[in-house]
Parts: sequence; structure tokens; C-alpha cells
Amino acid sequence: AQSVTQPDIHITVSEGASLELRCNYSYGATPYLFWYVQSPGQGLQLLLKYFSGDTLVQGIKGFEAEFKRSQSSFNLRKPSVHWSDAAEYFCAVGGTGNQFYFGTGTSLTVIP
Amino acid sequence: DAMVIQNPRYQVTQFGKPVTLSCSQTLNHNVMYWYQQKSSQAPKLLFHYYDKDFNNEADTPDNFQSRRPNTSFCFLDIRSPGLGDAAMYLCATSGGLGLGEQYFGPGTRLTVT
Repeated sequence: AQSVTQPDIHITVSEGASLELRCNYSYGATPYLFWYVQSPGQGLQLLLKYFSGDTLVQGIKGFEAEFKRSQSSFNLRKPSVHWSDAAEYFCAVGGTGNQFYFGTGTSLTVIP
Repeated sequence: DAMVIQNPRYQVTQFGKPVTLSCSQTLNHNVMYWYQQKSSQAPKLLFHYYDKDFNNEADTPDNFQSRRPNTSFCFLDIRSPGLGDAAMYLCATSGGLGLGEQYFGPGTRLTVT
């Protein structure tokens, strides 16, 4: 069965520190992979996506993610976190049809 | 800018009183989705439209209905809201099934009193 796992429910980092949010997926075929960010009381904004090709993808706001097929992972990274990055982050996998599976999210707190 | 718009942003309704949430899009996308998101949880797909074809998720309660009168608009009707239906409701669109990312609206926060 298709699924997405985000092992970290909550992460706290200092402003300026690097960040890595983990995402593991289970999907039978080649997946489409996404990272979304959600600020409190807001909808979801797409940070980046992977469909095929280069396994390191760049997104908005200085984020990047790397697709590792052998590890079934699609971890999100940012070299230097800003206070405005505090939000909820969702990894998602999509495929054919209407399937679009979200992870349970990782809440990011940024401390000064 | 092309976008997904949801109205109202905040809705308060009474227990058992029908309520309708609205979503419109200027992206001209074929597919529109409704999600329910409870606090600290992932969005849960309720149903989607591919053009006028309605697809209900198996575990979506009968209390939830949807209408799509045209490409641009989609409505979520909750016939008899219960306290457990208080949540954020997110509308999303995509250019087609299996064609990639979904574009989300800002959501409607529903409170049931």
C-alpha cells in the first residue's frame, strides 16, 4: 500500500542552523514527490517537486530535496534556516489517478 | 495571478445547521479536490471532481456532499454538522489526474457550536 512517513513530529532548530526534514515513502511505481509548507491558519504552498531526472531538486525559499530511490526517501534540506521558516511541512507522494498521499507532517520551530 | 480562492475564510455554524463552503479557481484546471484537515493532522481527501465526474472517498461520511456547477466553482455542503466536523477545509486543483502537483486554496476554518 502507498504511504508516506515523516518520522519527526516536531523539530526545533536555531536560526541560521541547517535543517533536514525526513520523508520516506512506499509506492509501487515511480512516484511523484512533493514537499508542501503550511503556515498557521493557511493553505498549503508547494515548496518543490520531483517527477524524474536530476535527483536533487531546488525549490522556493532556498529549500532543496534529494530523491534516493534505494532508501525510498525524499528529505528536505535548507542550509540556513530563517525565523520565517517556522511552519508545518508535509511530504506527499502522488501517482496516477487521484492518489495523493500526505505524511503526517513535521512542525518546525525556529529559535533565535 | 491565477489562484484558488476559498470563501469564507472562517465559518461558524450551529450543530445540525447546514453549511456550504465555496471554492473557485482561475487556473482552469480539470480536477478539484476537497480535503478535511484537523489540528496537527495531515489533510484527508474527502472527494474530488474530474470535470463533472464526482469521486467520493470510501470513508467520507454521507453528511458531506459536493457540487461543481462549472469548471471554476466547487462547493462543499455539510448537511448536519456535528462537533467532530470542526476542522480546516482545503480546496485544491490540479491540471489532471496523475499530472503532478495540487494547488491549494487558503482554507476555510469551520467552527461548530
